Amino acid sequence: GQQVMQIPQYQHVQEGEDFTTYCNSSTTLSNIQWYKQRPGGHPVFLIQLVKSGEVKKQKRLTFQFGEAKKNSSLHITATQTTDVGTYFCAGRNTGFQKLVFGTGTRLLVSP
Amino acid sequence: NAGVTQTPKFQVLKTGQSMTLQCAQDMNHEYMSWYRQDPGMGLRLIHYSVGAGITDQGEVPNGYNVSRSTTEDFPLRLLSAAPSQTSVYFCASSYRGTGLAKNIQYFGAGTRLSVL
Repeated sequence: GQQVMQIPQYQHVQEGEDFTTYCNSSTTLSNIQWYKQRPGGHPVFLIQLVKSGEVKKQKRLTFQFGEAKKNSSLHITATQTTDVGTYFCAGRNTGFQKLVFGTGTRLLVSP
Repeated sequence: NAGVTQTPKFQVLKTGQSMTLQCAQDMNHEYMSWYRQDPGMGLRLIHYSVGAGITDQGEVPNGYNVSRSTTEDFPLRLLSAAPSQTSVYFCASSYRGTGLAKNIQYFGAGTRLSVL
């Protein structure tokens, strides 16, 4: 079955440092989404990428979708304490309907 | 709009007991799903539904049943609870039509379940 893995599983940075999480799927994806979950909360949608090679930016966050549509990345520039949480990617197979989430990357930011 | 509402927020069960986790959405979303979240395991799909009367299995369906008699409700049933089902359960819904809102998952606040 479809598997979506993320690395690293956990990262602890100092405020102001950059952070990147990588998402890899065992199968080609029709699109990929990114979610953020604050401690004790529920996942909240951040962005969706659809096109091969697509790059989108949201302020300090940059999202990329790989050319082969099997991987993606989220990069945060100059992290802030408000960035703390777990970041999940989620993808759908081409032709399938269910959304499968990655294993998540937990980010801790120290002031 | 309330969005996605899950009840109860917390539940403690004894091994072998049964219960139903409730999920309701008021956004007229066609797609609904149940996930469980365990430490270090991310969100694993239990069951999902693409519309009323249609359900399908996800990655970890064993021990759980679902039904979708209306667009709004998607209850998750534990027939005979086991300690391995201790987890946080999230219900989510999304719109399958066209436009920017398509496929965005809206999550409920979660149900924290402990099985002793």
